[in-house]
Amino acid sequence: AQKVTQAQTEISVVEKEDVTLDCVYETRDTTYYLFWYKQPPSGELVFLIRRNSFDEQNEISGRYSWNFQKSTSSFNFTITASQVVDSAVYFCALSRGILYGGATNKLIFGTGTLLAVQP
Amino acid sequence: DAGITQSPRHKVTETGTPVTLRCHQTENHRYMYWYRQDPGHGLRLIHYSYGVKDTDKGEVSDGYSVSRSKTEDFLLTLESATSSQTSVYFCAISENRDNEKLFFGSGTQLSVL
Repeated sequence: AQKVTQAQTEISVVEKEDVTLDCVYETRDTTYYLFWYKQPPSGELVFLIRRNSFDEQNEISGRYSWNFQKSTSSFNFTITASQVVDSAVYFCALSRGILYGGATNKLIFGTGTLLAVQP
Repeated sequence: DAGITQSPRHKVTETGTPVTLRCHQTENHRYMYWYRQDPGHGLRLIHYSYGVKDTDKGEVSDGYSVSRSKTEDFLLTLESATSSQTSVYFCAISENRDNEKLFFGSGTQLSVL
């Protein structure tokens, strides 16, 4: 069975602090994809990143960076120099690879981490 | 922003009544999805569609049905609403099936009293 665990329910930081959101996944598939989505207070989910299981390179996009480690089944998300606008719920998600057929966008979501950035 | 409109945005209904939520897209994407969001559960897939009149069940499909008669519209029906179906419902779309990112609508807050 596939599962995504986001053990941090809520995190509160002060602006300009760095913060890491943890994501641990479970799957028996050899091919899979991992995602991060942001849900700001407005409610709409916004795509942040997609990573496939064959690409363990870390990625950096501005203040955001992602660390994918297959050895620990983790896909952690770090925000550097956090800002108030980063306040949101962040979801990690997992989907099966194309080898398994069907509509592979059937995402399995974690329960989310609420990040509050205080000014 | 992807052109996805969910209606209504908010609805209060009574137990036992049927309810239909609508998702309308202007992107001409083939794949459409209905998710529900609940505290402690994240988002869970209810039903999805891979084309007109082609739909399939997700992980929490009991008590829900869907229909897709046009590419742009995907309807979610609660046949007889129950309090456990109080939730926020999100529609999502994707152009392809192959692990493409999903574009989400703004959500519908449904309360079943």
